[in-house]
Amino acid sequence: DGGITQSPKYLFRKEGQNVTLSCEQNLNHDAMYWYRQDPGQGLRLIYYSQIVNDFQKGDIAEGYSVSREKKESFPLTVTSAQKNPTAFYLCASSIDPLRVSNQPQHFGDGTRLSIL
Amino acid sequence: GQNIDQPTEMTATEGAIVQINCTYQTSGFNGLFWYQQHAGEAPTFLSYNVLDGLEEKGRFSSFLSRSKGYSYLLLKELQMKDSASYLCAVRSLNRDDKIIFGKGTRLHILP
Repeated sequence: DGGITQSPKYLFRKEGQNVTLSCEQNLNHDAMYWYRQDPGQGLRLIYYSQIVNDFQKGDIAEGYSVSREKKESFPLTVTSAQKNPTAFYLCASSIDPLRVSNQPQHFGDGTRLSIL
Repeated sequence: GQNIDQPTEMTATEGAIVQINCTYQTSGFNGLFWYQQHAGEAPTFLSYNVLDGLEEKGRFSSFLSRSKGYSYLLLKELQMKDSASYLCAVRSLNRDDKIIFGKGTRLHILP
């Protein structure tokens, strides 16, 4: 079955530590996205990528970094510069919207990050 | 600016009908999505509207009025499993394809 896999499901970060959240998809989607979800805040876009080796900042990119070396993979690093990283992180992918605009984003099951 | 508004919480009774409203102000419009999200889980796609009118899909229907910047999700014959958050999301017309999400409406179903 095709889908999006995020790992780990739960992650704990120590002070001053960088952590990387994994996101892999086998849907052959061009575009991938990272969102952060806080209680009562809805989904906020961190970074997105429409093609391999290219990505753009979303609305809350400070303290985060990404890479897109392969079409299937879009890992997110939460750096020590992100002072309030505790949240639910969701990865999503979609067909290139410039080719097919009515296709929704497909989401992974999320990673819950907490501070130790 | 860009903004999507939907009620924070709603309560309805099992077997009844509920309408969840969404109003939006965005730079360009290229479609509106509704997602369902159970607590601690991933959002799942429910419906897509890009033209004015009603789209029906089983117990769920979604309506769009582009001139009013307004949409609603209609849930019929409510079941306990419909207790979840419902997210309204708008895709912009820009090349960057940003999708803006509302904060979600938490729906409680009472027996």
